[in-house]
Amino acid sequence: GAVVSQHPSRVICKSGTSVKIECRSLDFQATTMFWYRQFPKQSLMLMATSNEGSKATYEQGVEKDKFLINHASLTLSTLTVTSAHPEDSSFYICSAPGTSSVNEQFFGPGTRLTVL
Amino acid sequence: GESVGLHLPTLSVQEGDNSIINCAYSNSASDYFIWYKQESGKGPQFIIDIRSNMDKRQGQRVTVLLNKTVKHLSLQIAATQPGDSAVYFCAERSGGTSYGKLTFGQGTILTVHP
Repeated sequence: GAVVSQHPSRVICKSGTSVKIECRSLDFQATTMFWYRQFPKQSLMLMATSNEGSKATYEQGVEKDKFLINHASLTLSTLTVTSAHPEDSSFYICSAPGTSSVNEQFFGPGTRLTVL
Repeated sequence: GESVGLHLPTLSVQEGDNSIINCAYSNSASDYFIWYKQESGKGPQFIIDIRSNMDKRQGQRVTVLLNKTVKHLSLQIAATQPGDSAVYFCAERSGGTSYGKLTFGQGTILTVHP
């Protein structure tokens, strides 16, 4: 099946710094990608829908100025956590829809962010 | 808002037993319900889905049942194996577009003992 990669897999940063997470579709194109956040032992919460060539659509309660999304090409979306704080520490996962089925979504392996 | 939830947060079974993981949903407008498996430190993997106009669908060792009357979804895993140990999420899809946003339930931790 199709593969979605994320980089980095783990990142530790100091409070106040910004962190960029990349999501790539390796062998298919994705005009849309989704970004999720998952706290320990909790479910995935959709943060935003990333759209190639246009602005991202953010879910209610997600600060767009704090979580910057750039869908630079048909295979790359980036999420930048700006001025990160310890409460932003979480597992960030991206996904991209496939083409074989309406429910086909390929998830990346996730990025573990720890803010000290 | 609308949400998808689970009855049981943890489930422990013996290898070879059948497992049943349950999920309650509240959005009757969802067009698909999907089960995902998530192993520790990894992204979710698709298991099986069911359209809202169906009540049962079978896959390899898995069966999903949908009861729209009581808004209940279940995943049955036959002959559970240690490799099935993971967190299982139900999710509902809505939107009516070629792809839809997913709303995930709370998750059930399945532990399979050899």
